[in-house]
Amino acid sequence: AQSVTQLDSQVPVFEEAPVELRCNYSSSVSVYLFWYVQYPNQGLQLLLKYLSGSTLVKGINGFEAEFNKSQTSFHLRKPSVHISDTAEYFCAVSGISGSRLTFGEGTQLTVNP
Amino acid sequence: DVKVTQSSRYLVKRTGEKVFLECVQDMDHENMFWYRQDPGLGLRLIYFSYDVKMKEKGDIPEGYSVSREKKERFSLILESASTNQTSMYLCASNLAGGTYNEQFFGPGTRLTVL
Repeated sequence: AQSVTQLDSQVPVFEEAPVELRCNYSSSVSVYLFWYVQYPNQGLQLLLKYLSGSTLVKGINGFEAEFNKSQTSFHLRKPSVHISDTAEYFCAVSGISGSRLTFGEGTQLTVNP
Repeated sequence: DVKVTQSSRYLVKRTGEKVFLECVQDMDHENMFWYRQDPGLGLRLIYFSYDVKMKEKGDIPEGYSVSREKKERFSLILESASTNQTSMYLCASNLAGGTYNEQFFGPGTRLTVL
């Protein structure tokens, strides 16, 4: 079984500032890792995923994440945020043998002018 | 574009009512999922289905049942709604097999049980 912990429930930042949303996972097997974004009143949309290979993965809208196996982390970063990045962000994990996703609690990112 | 649609965006029901939440996908996906989203708890899997008439319990199946009579449609049923089932419900689907197949989500149904 896998579990995911998102270390910050709310992250307020000013526009054009850098941001990091933290995610730690636990698993006894090899995993795939994901970040999803949920804009207000919408479903979830995949931002990026780590399946294998390079530990630094780039996603849509300028986001990137780094897989750190030794620290069991998959933190999401963006060097300069926009007002339109205001949304809830979910980290998720799956075992490599199945389709089921386990989600973290979510982090509300609020970008202020 | 993959499209996952849910029958209602907002629903208000009374305690004890039978509630049906419908989900339809148009990409011939084998797998379909129902999640419940609550603040501070993220998304939790209620049930999923990997084929017509097949279903498996997720992490929180109590109080819910599902039906999948056709490949494109997956229904979540609350036999007797209770106030603690007030929540956002999200449906998702993906292809089976291969290395990894992205789950595509519907817009959600916000259910209020009074």
